[in-house]
Amino acid sequence: DIQMTQSPSSLSASVGDRVIITCRASQTISDYLNWYQEKPGKAPKLLIYGASSLQSGVPSRFSGSGSGTDFTLTISSLQPEDFGTYYCQQSYSSAYTFGQGTKLEIK
Amino acid sequence: EVQLVESGGGLVQPGGSLRLSCAASGFTFNRYRMSWVRQVRGKGLEWVAIINQDGSEKKSVDSVRGRFSISRDNAENSLYLQMTSLRVEDTAMYYCVRDRTPETTVSFAYWGQGALVTVSS
Repeated sequence: DIQMTQSPSSLSASVGDRVIITCRASQTISDYLNWYQEKPGKAPKLLIYGASSLQSGVPSRFSGSGSGTDFTLTISSLQPEDFGTYYCQQSYSSAYTFGQGTKLEIK
Repeated sequence: EVQLVESGGGLVQPGGSLRLSCAASGFTFNRYRMSWVRQVRGKGLEWVAIINQDGSEKKSVDSVRGRFSISRDNAENSLYLQMTSLRVEDTAMYYCVRDRTPETTVSFAYWGQGALVTVSS
């Protein structure tokens, strides 16, 4: 199975900060990479699909980039509602593995 | 509006069985692949199983293969997960999930509220 590794595991940032979360695949996955946001007590929400395409309704401050094995999720200007845990997920091959998550806290 | 409503969760003893159901509405159910994704409390996400539009193709994660079976009834707009030989480590919230679009690669765009499965003696 393809392993997905995110960094950092957690971070704390201030409103207005630029935040970058990285995700590395154990083998090349082209651009078959999705990003999700999860908040306590709620189901995850798809943010980015195909490594860089913004899901409908997601604010434009979220962006994704990368191809092959290395990917990033960027929040250009952090907002208070952006707290939560972020997961990357590969869709190159089943078992459609997720990263371990990055917990984002607002300072 | 897309709605996915899971049911059938509960407490079961190790070695027992449980069947989760997911009632889908607000979209043409038979056009979309469907999946189950689970999350152990306080832990990360794990894809469990996927089924194609007509039910002819199914895949599952190694840890549940041979024990869990995904199925669907397009006439009833319903997705199922039959779980047998349950283990303590299967304790998790189970989400019914729909793909973003019918044609593209897997991306989990719509999620139900989840069904809690607890395996304990």
